[in-house]
Amino acid sequence: EVQLVQSGAEVKKPGESLKISCKGSGYTFTSYWIGWVRQMPGKGLEWMGIIYPDDSDTRYSPSFQGQVTISADKSINTAYLQWSSLKASDTAMYYCARHVTPGPYYFDYWGQGTLVTVSS
Amino acid sequence: DIVMTQSPDSLAVSLGERATINCKSSQSVLFSSNNKNYLAWYQQKPGQPPEVLIYWASTRESGVPDRFSGSGSGTDFTLTISSLQAEDVAVYYCQQYYSTPYTFGQGTKLQI
Repeated sequence: EVQLVQSGAEVKKPGESLKISCKGSGYTFTSYWIGWVRQMPGKGLEWMGIIYPDDSDTRYSPSFQGQVTISADKSINTAYLQWSSLKASDTAMYYCARHVTPGPYYFDYWGQGTLVTVSS
Repeated sequence: DIVMTQSPDSLAVSLGERATINCKSSQSVLFSSNNKNYLAWYQQKPGQPPEVLIYWASTRESGVPDRFSGSGSGTDFTLTISSLQAEDVAVYYCQQYYSTPYTFGQGTKLQI
């Protein structure tokens, strides 16, 4: 069974750093692109960027380039999304999802989401 | 970036009636070499992650009820629910995967 399990909810202060994770199982992790999607409170879905865990090829949406870093550790089947200095506007639910290959094409499996709250 | 625009933003339909959601892309998402439209539809219920319903504009994901159908080509697409059930209350999103960033529409909230 394909599963993407994300790390738990986080509460942080502005200016702090954060790294959230997404662990894949039930499939060959290195053969599928993993993407990250932001959903701000009460709002829609925003595609942030993707990574191919086998070689760490990464592509960012221009809206998120320079704001976050996407990485992966293929030895433990885990992808990451990190911030060096959080802002209140980063408060959102963040989903990881698996892209159908070879594309990458649409998302076929999603993680449960990680809620990030940034507040002083 | 390709801009995806859905209409309407919200929709109320009676049980058993048809629901239609439209999605328009700012440029064609039809890939000429394989004649495929790089367009997917997702359903998101409250408190849950999205789930794919339709991909390649008209291919239903395994396990998705056949009351859901997708149509369209090029820049104009439609998601149709032929006979609305109570469990279909959700927000529906289209997404293009023709070129990065793989943008979503703003969502359509479907209510009874």
